[in-house]
Amino acid sequence: DTEVTQTPKHLVMGMTNKKSLKCEQHMGHRAMYWYKQKAKKPPELMFVYSYEKLSINESVPSRFSPECPNSSLLNLHLHALQPEDSALYLCASSQDVSLASTDTQYFGPGTRLTVL
Amino acid sequence: EDKVVQSPLSLVVHEGDTVTLNCSYEVTNFRSLLWYKQEKKAPTFLFMLTSSGIEKKSGRLSSILDKKELSSILNITATQTGDSAIYLCAVLHPAGTASKLTFGTGTRLQVTL
Repeated sequence: DTEVTQTPKHLVMGMTNKKSLKCEQHMGHRAMYWYKQKAKKPPELMFVYSYEKLSINESVPSRFSPECPNSSLLNLHLHALQPEDSALYLCASSQDVSLASTDTQYFGPGTRLTVL
Repeated sequence: EDKVVQSPLSLVVHEGDTVTLNCSYEVTNFRSLLWYKQEKKAPTFLFMLTSSGIEKKSGRLSSILDKKELSSILNITATQTGDSAIYLCAVLHPAGTASKLTFGTGTRLQVTL
């Protein structure tokens, strides 16, 4: 089973709203990722968690706040977003993320976010 | 700066044709190269190529890694309309204390009847 699930599938929010995106995997993977994908562009890495600790933050604005409550769950808290933040937000997981890793990343179906 | 470049950017072929998609990379401390297929939603994994596994095949799809030329190709034979998608190449490499994927811009493939 290589399934990563994400909720919600679609989200529309105003610039003053606070919302959260959720991601879950039950493959025993110890690395989880958030990506942002704009239309006709490749995914761009936002955050990497390894063993529930933040390993990489790709200079993402503080209006995006990741959280890893346990090894199976990854959240992305959203606050005071801008219309240009509208995109497909993808979660992924892999067995490991160490410097020697060659592990495959498996993606969830994504949350399509629209900021009005 | 780490970079992954794919070509062509887009391609239209007739059903039954064979296509070759290209990916070249410049990254520090290459670990592996991955191919994904993306239709309407999330990228789905196709192949992973490493120094110890430079050629992979699955049905009509095959891929080869050329470590000397820092490139890879993805071949699709006897294309079908269901192969229409964006094909993404990504390279895994160290970044700080972890590893990360850097994606190419993708090749948009359209297979027509």
